[in-house]
Amino acid sequence: DAGVTQSPTHLIKTRGQQVTLRCSPISGHKSVSWYQQVLGQGPQFIFQYYEKEERGRGNFPDRFSARQFPNYSSELNVNALLLGDSALYLCASSFGTAGTEAFFGQGTRLTVV
Amino acid sequence: GENVEQHPSTLSVQEGDSAVIKCTYSDSASNYFPWYKQELGKRPQLIIDIRSNVGEKKDQRIAVTLNKTAKHFSLHITETQPEDSAVYFCAASMDRGYGQNFVFGPGTRLSVLP
Repeated sequence: DAGVTQSPTHLIKTRGQQVTLRCSPISGHKSVSWYQQVLGQGPQFIFQYYEKEERGRGNFPDRFSARQFPNYSSELNVNALLLGDSALYLCASSFGTAGTEAFFGQGTRLTVV
Repeated sequence: GENVEQHPSTLSVQEGDSAVIKCTYSDSASNYFPWYKQELGKRPQLIIDIRSNVGEKKDQRIAVTLNKTAKHFSLHITETQPEDSAVYFCAASMDRGYGQNFVFGPGTRLSVLP
């Protein structure tokens, strides 16, 4: 069984551009969460989706948006990129029911120049 | 909102010794506490977790303890091996039945010296 997969693995963008990151959860998982991990820090929560509905949002500006599709995959969009958006973006999936673990993808390393 | 603190930020131990990492959380509503291990350039991997209705959980060389009253939980690794070297993150969340939003600690870099 495949784990959580994210694409692309690496990305270089210019300030002001827009980026879309993609996540495919483990088969059967209905909950997807997105995290930003700046080098040397712990992951910071951005969004959580369950059954295609937003269930939580972290303290990030409106430039960040996300959605979940009927097949439970998810996209994270970031507009008007800033240098400070450079980070590892992690996706985690879980069944979403009480008491289940979350598993992370390998992440997308975004560099904004 | 929830805040998670983690200590120490770096920890060096000799191979075979034990390592202990401690975390505190602020929100008494949090009820799920996982520990993740992250090797350089790799994804965080769940190594053990504990729920608020349990005080201790063990899996081979790894154990986690939870003190709900004091709002702290700890990771214990015994008989450390060089492959245990990594960054360890604790996290807290409230499992509301549709998945979790984790608040992570800042991490502990563990080095196991041969």
